[in-house]
Amino acid sequence: DQQVKQNSPSLSVQEGRISILNCDYTNSMFDYFLWYKKYPAEGPTFLISISSIKDKNEDGRFTVFLNKSAKHLSLHIVPSQPGDSAVYFCAAVRNSGNTPLVFGKGTRLSVIA
Amino acid sequence: DAGVIQSPRHEVTEMGQEVTLRCKPISGHNSLFWYRQTMMRGLELLIYFNNNVPIDDSGMPEDRFSAKMPNASFSTLKIQPSEPRDSAVYFCAVLKPWGNEKLFFGSGTQLSVL
Repeated sequence: DQQVKQNSPSLSVQEGRISILNCDYTNSMFDYFLWYKKYPAEGPTFLISISSIKDKNEDGRFTVFLNKSAKHLSLHIVPSQPGDSAVYFCAAVRNSGNTPLVFGKGTRLSVIA
Repeated sequence: DAGVIQSPRHEVTEMGQEVTLRCKPISGHNSLFWYRQTMMRGLELLIYFNNNVPIDDSGMPEDRFSAKMPNASFSTLKIQPSEPRDSAVYFCAVLKPWGNEKLFFGSGTQLSVL
């Protein structure tokens, strides 16, 4: 039973346009959400996060939106660049202890020049 | 990144052979996690340790899989005997509770079982 779902395995976007990656979760106990980015032959690296007390967090070209009532979050990248081409993993956790992150299956983003 | 060192980077073996994956985290981390990445299942948690003690191994697929953490700076994941369906990328990660990042991953071991 997938607690974190990324329903789009892949996404292609033209350079300069906006990329929107979506993520849904089922566990209402999750209170901290993260996005990781993974290039081939490398481990996932942290990109951006958001606490459940917020509905938006912005860091440069990257913005994460959280809709708690819908149990949905999204990552917006604008403008998209070819270097953004990677697999993006959504993750969720209860922030109260050393508990493991639960990941989605990932979305492969291809930014076309 | 030098924070978590995994070896080997690539492992090709034949079905039935024993495989041992290694992880050396930098000191100061109390929690260590083993994840496996496949196309079908994405990143799935296999097992994690707190203070070198296994806390949850419910993600370990079968008895063929075992993991140890004899000290704070070394962990192993062993598959015996290996099967083709074990082919995947195996990641070791440490918890960083003091920042937003939470988990810091090693570069992974690409395992191919023929």
